[in-house]
Amino acid sequence: AQKITQTQPGMFVQEKEAVTLDCTYDTSDQSYGLFWYKQPSSGEMIFLIYQGSYDEQNATEGRYSLNFQKARKSANLVISASQLGDSAMYFCAMNTGFQKLVFGTGTRLLVSP
Amino acid sequence: DVKVTQSSRYLVKRTGEKVFLECVQDMDHENMFWYRQDPGLGLRLIYFSYDVKMKEKGDIPEGYSVSREKKERFSLILESASTNQTSMYLCASTRGPQETQYFGPGTRLLVL
Repeated sequence: AQKITQTQPGMFVQEKEAVTLDCTYDTSDQSYGLFWYKQPSSGEMIFLIYQGSYDEQNATEGRYSLNFQKARKSANLVISASQLGDSAMYFCAMNTGFQKLVFGTGTRLLVSP
Repeated sequence: DVKVTQSSRYLVKRTGEKVFLECVQDMDHENMFWYRQDPGLGLRLIYFSYDVKMKEKGDIPEGYSVSREKKERFSLILESASTNQTSMYLCASTRGPQETQYFGPGTRLLVL
């Protein structure tokens, strides 16, 4: 069975600093995709970044990068130069096979001035 | 840009009522999904559909049914709402395998 684990229920960071949100996954499939979503208090799930299991380079989207360590089955999200608007819940997710997404329980990030 | 819309942001219903949650996507995506989100549990898949009139059960289908009569529209139905169905409901759509799922704004349902 597929499983995503996010061990940090909450994280604090000061504005302009970098922060890493942890995500480990478990699957026996060779082909899978890893996703990070942001959920502000409004409730909408916003797609941030994607990493395929066969991608050799770590994914990057603006201030977001994904630190993919396949042997350790980890897919940590790194946010550089945090902004106040980054305060939100962050979810790591994985899909295998028929596109079903399995989500972790999320990490709440608070960015302070 | 992909746009997924949901019929209501907030909904209050009484126990035993039949509840319809509507989701519409405008990107001609084949696949659509309904999730519910509860604190500490993350998102859990209720049902999904990979084609018109096709549906598959997710992890927690009990108490729910779905309908997909048109490609762009996927409805979630609570036949007889119960208080334990109070939750945030999120709809998503995607083009194909391992493609990104795009979500609607969510419906916060309160069943009294």
